[in-house]
Amino acid sequence: ILNVEQSPQSLHVQEGDSTNFTCSFPSSNFYALHWYRWETAKSPEALFVMTLNGDEKKKGRISATLNTKEGYSYLYIKGSQPEDSATYLCAFLKDDYKLSFGAGTTVTVRA
Amino acid sequence: EAGVAQSPRYKIIEKRQSVAFWCNPISGHATLYWYQQILGQGPKLLIQFQNNGVVDDSQLPKDRFSAERLKGVDSTLKIQPAKLEDSAVYLCASSLNGVAQSSPLHFGNGTRLTVT
Repeated sequence: ILNVEQSPQSLHVQEGDSTNFTCSFPSSNFYALHWYRWETAKSPEALFVMTLNGDEKKKGRISATLNTKEGYSYLYIKGSQPEDSATYLCAFLKDDYKLSFGAGTTVTVRA
Repeated sequence: EAGVAQSPRYKIIEKRQSVAFWCNPISGHATLYWYQQILGQGPKLLIQFQNNGVVDDSQLPKDRFSAERLKGVDSTLKIQPAKLEDSAVYLCASSLNGVAQSSPLHFGNGTRLTVT
């Protein structure tokens, strides 16, 4: 992997269901991984900054894991609610301190 | 704390015209970033300031884009002349210590630019 890739590009989930999606990044020269949530008509909001292999972080019903050796991070949403509808961006920070963003996963929660 | 302020929220101009965006970061944040997000793509860094000095402007199209951060606080980004491919959301962000110290970015609401 040369760049940051997020999959899927979009997903629809029923209210109350759980879901997860992936951020893939180059496994070399890793420094940190950022996750942001961007709701329509609002500003992107930082969710997590992860730096250590095996890191797990949680914020309410949202959690993230990090595998720096294989170059991926998962974001999980437990019991999705309509307010979770947003685009979730990950960004990979290399050891040259340049932050590269993925194109995002757009989550739509159906009531 | 007050968030990152950006203006305007929307701007529509014709190609070859000029446009300027303004950003006021969170008080005390030394690092300021301008990102360009084209529909369907991730945000791309245009320029990064540390106080009033430029840290990285390697992806700024300098023949038409310029940015300044006088006095190390607020910043303006200018496009002159605009092209159709400049249609995008322009995001300003600030961070307390810079991403190298694992500080997250704090974003403004962005300016949606449409060039016709």
